[in-house]
Amino acid sequence: ETGVTQTPRHLVMGMTNKKSLKCEQHLGHNAMYWYKQSAKKPLELMFVYNFKEQTENNSVPSRFSPECPNSSHLFLHLHTLQPEDSALYLCASSQEPMVAGVTDTQYFGPGTRLTVL
Amino acid sequence: SQQGEEDPQALSIQEGENATMNCSYKTSINNLQWYRQNSGRGLVHLILIRSNEREKHSGRLRVTLDTSKKSSSLLITASRAADTASYFCATADGSSNTGKLIFGQGTTLQVKP
Repeated sequence: ETGVTQTPRHLVMGMTNKKSLKCEQHLGHNAMYWYKQSAKKPLELMFVYNFKEQTENNSVPSRFSPECPNSSHLFLHLHTLQPEDSALYLCASSQEPMVAGVTDTQYFGPGTRLTVL
Repeated sequence: SQQGEEDPQALSIQEGENATMNCSYKTSINNLQWYRQNSGRGLVHLILIRSNEREKHSGRLRVTLDTSKKSSSLLITASRAADTASYFCATADGSSNTGKLIFGQGTTLQVKP
């Protein structure tokens, strides 16, 4: 266990549904991340939050809406998704985004396997 | 892009043999990290090497970094069946301060008992 939990672990939704993914870290970290991992494609960074503030949006479509109410929790709200959005969504956290000028080690949750029908 | 590219894409070896995976990238970095992922699970951090370091060891892992060639290698010695997983390199843009990591496609390692 890395100290980062994600719920649900599996989610099947229709294109007109609205659902949310939840991530919680128990490590006292200040930075949190959402990644998308599709088959045959590299892991893609979606969003970065530092002290609850969004610092990176990697050109993510607006049908994905992140929310970070505090440093321990991160949500990804989903609405009107497409079948190509089916993927493993991974959450990660790190103490800080950068430590002594070096990108900090990230700790990943187990992911949510999303299927969009 | 700065995407890391791993080579080979897949590697199959016998238990006890060494496994070497390579990673190439395109732009300047401040560090390079290797992660491991068991099938359908989250990633686990293995080792970080800074841009001013050339080699680093952690247990059975040895990482090298050649910034002139923009490449890194991960060596797993005396492999075990439990090492079966996908291995990813991730590079951190030297000009970014947001913690953004760019991951490669990964090398799938199978260690046969």
